[in-house]
Amino acid sequence: DTGVSQDPRHKITKRGQNVTFRCDPISEHNRLYWYRQTLGQGPEFLTYFQNEAQLEKSRLLSDRFSAERPKGSFSTLEIQRTEQGDSAMYLCASSPWDRVIEYTFGSGTRLTVV
Amino acid sequence: AQRVTQPEKLLSVFKGAPVELKCNYSYSGSPELFWYVQYSRQRLQLLLRHISRESIKGFTADLNKGETSFHLKKPFAQEEDSAMYYCALSNYGGSQGNLIFGKGTKLSVKP
Repeated sequence: DTGVSQDPRHKITKRGQNVTFRCDPISEHNRLYWYRQTLGQGPEFLTYFQNEAQLEKSRLLSDRFSAERPKGSFSTLEIQRTEQGDSAMYLCASSPWDRVIEYTFGSGTRLTVV
Repeated sequence: AQRVTQPEKLLSVFKGAPVELKCNYSYSGSPELFWYVQYSRQRLQLLLRHISRESIKGFTADLNKGETSFHLKKPFAQEEDSAMYYCALSNYGGSQGNLIFGKGTKLSVKP
């Protein structure tokens, strides 16, 4: 499969726990994006990487959120001390350096905080 | 502020009827606009972008800078067009590449 992969597909966690999601982009894509989508809303930008450098973070990305892309390949998104408001679909997308706005999205990780 | 507005949450039409999904935007500069589609149980995928000026699956969209609109149209809807449609604006003008999405319109095409 040469698409964008996200793991896990679903995650249920108790409030206050930490969770980590993984995204494997298309191998030749050097840009990687994280978005969050809540019920009834469109995807909202969280952060993006160009290779291993995190170039922008949205105001939505509170101090409890951290994202990494250590070798410019896969990326992880960690949420510490989860809150019920963190329940959402977390989407990853990637794009090539010369067509940065031609996204390929993953299937997403659905997080439920109980 | 940059914003994308899709005024209809749900649009229901009969097969063979024309479809127009509305999208209005607010952006200072030269926008790049897109339509993304999400079919049931599938991932979000690009349908078309205004720069390409192409027709995909019979859909077209014209950028109207005067009305700041980018409505998606199809002359004859098919049942397989039923899906969630999102209009998106690129912040590429700032070389950032992130997209601003509308809230989406659910299109339901009835037989």
